Amino acid sequence: DAMVIQNPRYQVTQFGKPVTLSCSQTLNHNVMYWYQQKSSQAPKLLFHYYDKDFNNEADTPDNFQSRRPNTSFCFLDIRSPGLGDAAMYLCATSREGAVSYEQYFGPGTRLTVT
Amino acid sequence: AQSVTQLDSHVSVSEGTPVLLRCNYSSSYSPSLFWYVQHPNKGLQLLLKYTSAATLVKGINGFEAEFKKSETSFHLTKPSAHMSDAAEYFCVVSEPTGANNLFFGTGTRLTVIP
Repeated sequence: DAMVIQNPRYQVTQFGKPVTLSCSQTLNHNVMYWYQQKSSQAPKLLFHYYDKDFNNEADTPDNFQSRRPNTSFCFLDIRSPGLGDAAMYLCATSREGAVSYEQYFGPGTRLTVT
Repeated sequence: AQSVTQLDSHVSVSEGTPVLLRCNYSSSYSPSLFWYVQHPNKGLQLLLKYTSAATLVKGINGFEAEFKKSETSFHLTKPSAHMSDAAEYFCVVSEPTGANNLFFGTGTRLTVIP
């Protein structure tokens, strides 16, 4: 089945130690998104790739970076995680030209910062 | 401007009784509307979507929603709640103005009492 895959599902890192979260998709969608979701809150968009074009949300901290080496993969890099970065990180994809810009979500990676 | 209001942060129902989760939206365009469900420590799963076709939309797991333009509402209903329906539900609006155009409500937590 076509899907959005996130690895790992659970990640523990130390305060200040760089961490990378991974997302891959078999849907061949050209748009990929990263969201941060804190407990009992709605997902918050960090940035998205429209093909190779990177689009950062205005309030996304510089501590968060992203890479998209090809259509299928997208990475979220947190350069120096703080305790406030502990959250669920969701990857999503969508297809340009879709009537509704429906997004397909992965299962998420829960990040713990110790 | 676009926004989504979920009128109840928490809804509690008994198993076998009807479910009503309320959502109101505002949009400058003809929006697409979605309901997503999120079980604990999982990603978001699409329940149903409205994209300017039939105003009564049927989704998975017996859920349905009715788009009422005059009331700017898109309430989610189910005739009979099941224990497995306990989860967080997000009402989401999308507009055809770019790739990063999902606007989330704050979520409604549904509890199902045995």
